[in-house]
Amino acid sequence: GDSVTQMEGPVTLSEEAFLTINCTYTATGYPSLFWYVQYPGEGLQLLLKATKADDKGSNKGFEATYRKETTSFHLEKGSVQVSDSAVYFCALSGGSYIPTFGRGTSLIVHP
Amino acid sequence: DGGITQSPKYLFRKEGQNVTLSCEQNLNHDAMYWYRQDPGQGLRLIYYSQIVNDFQKGDIAEGYSVSREKKESFPLTVTSAQKNPTAFYLCASSISLNPNTEAFFGQGTRLTVV
Repeated sequence: GDSVTQMEGPVTLSEEAFLTINCTYTATGYPSLFWYVQYPGEGLQLLLKATKADDKGSNKGFEATYRKETTSFHLEKGSVQVSDSAVYFCALSGGSYIPTFGRGTSLIVHP
Repeated sequence: DGGITQSPKYLFRKEGQNVTLSCEQNLNHDAMYWYRQDPGQGLRLIYYSQIVNDFQKGDIAEGYSVSREKKESFPLTVTSAQKNPTAFYLCASSISLNPNTEAFFGQGTRLTVV
């Protein structure tokens, strides 16, 4: 079945550092890929998405490129802020049409 | 404003009790989902529904039940058969079971067994 694997956290960075959170997936066919963000005590919010190979999703300085050849969708940001501290979930929606999520990666940004 | 409303935000259950978590959406979405979130385990699918009066079991349906009598509502009952119900429960919806559409989430209900 479909699955998503993302790097374990927490990821701890200083403000203005470069961020990468790795995500790889297993799915049949050509899934759509998503990154969601969860702030403490809240639900998930969509951060960005890509629906086909080589698409780049971007939002609020975050980017991720759909790499079919490596089955990856790594999240990047050039300069993180304290307000980016949250849990980030990689997800896919494939042949079953049901959103499937990774385990989440906690990001902590220090001033 | 359109969105998904979960209630209550916090819920305490005694051993052996059934409790029902509410989920209402005014986004006119066809598909609705219930996920359970435990620390370090991500989101696990409990039940989902594509249309009114139809729902399917997810990966961890044992000890849970749902109904979908109205398009807007998808309540989840945690029964006494669920051995470890303490968790954060998230309800979500999407336009349809379409892989290109994102899911919209409620704020969650934190259930604690006392």
